[in-house]
Amino acid sequence: QLQLQESGPGLVKPSETLSLTCTVTGGSIISSGYYWGWIRQPPGKGLEWLGNIYYSGSTYYSPSLKSRVTISLDTPRNQFSLRLSSVTAADTAVYLCARRGSSFTSVGNAFDIWGQGTMVTVSS
Amino acid sequence: QSALTQPPSASGSPGQSVTISCTGTSSDVGGYNYVSWYQQHPGKAPKLMIYEVTKRPSGVPDRFSGSKSGNTASLTVSGLQAEDEADYYCSSYAGSNNFDVFGTGTKVAVL
Repeated sequence: QLQLQESGPGLVKPSETLSLTCTVTGGSIISSGYYWGWIRQPPGKGLEWLGNIYYSGSTYYSPSLKSRVTISLDTPRNQFSLRLSSVTAADTAVYLCARRGSSFTSVGNAFDIWGQGTMVTVSS
Repeated sequence: QSALTQPPSASGSPGQSVTISCTGTSSDVGGYNYVSWYQQHPGKAPKLMIYEVTKRPSGVPDRFSGSKSGNTASLTVSGLQAEDEADYYCSSYAGSNNFDVFGTGTKVAVL
């Protein structure tokens, strides 16, 4: 079955760029109708949507982070990535990747498959 | 884009029902039938419980049900069981500019 796994540095210095990759196994990231998203969760806090990328490559970002977030697809490697620039301590969180359906898929407009998440700490 | 508003906590005894609200605006919850609900146990990834307001994915017990009225969506857990103790988050589509927004989360305790 489809699985997602996040990877990347667990420690990033302030003002630098956070880079994470989500590897998809058991299915293709260019499956028609699906988005691939990044969500984060600061310690002890709630979920925050960061952005989605459609299988065609179109991107959608949180308005509050739009100037700092970039999501991209790497179709040969069946991966998608997150870059968050100019990080501060407020960006310390568990970062999760997930598959999101659409009106054209069986699970509709929801995140149906999630990775386990990776903790990223911003500190010097 | 503000987070959807949920009560911080809710509780019930085994066998009872608990209902969690999720309040947004006409630009998100009220504007689309694209509300979903997620269950998250400590240290685990969220799990989809309800999508498109009322639909249950395969494998989710029918004790979980969803509804919506105006700008407020609700999740009801009937016949509470110990394993239902978890954090629950709602989410809604919010249009092509804002796309997705999550709720503030509700901790459900089974007394």
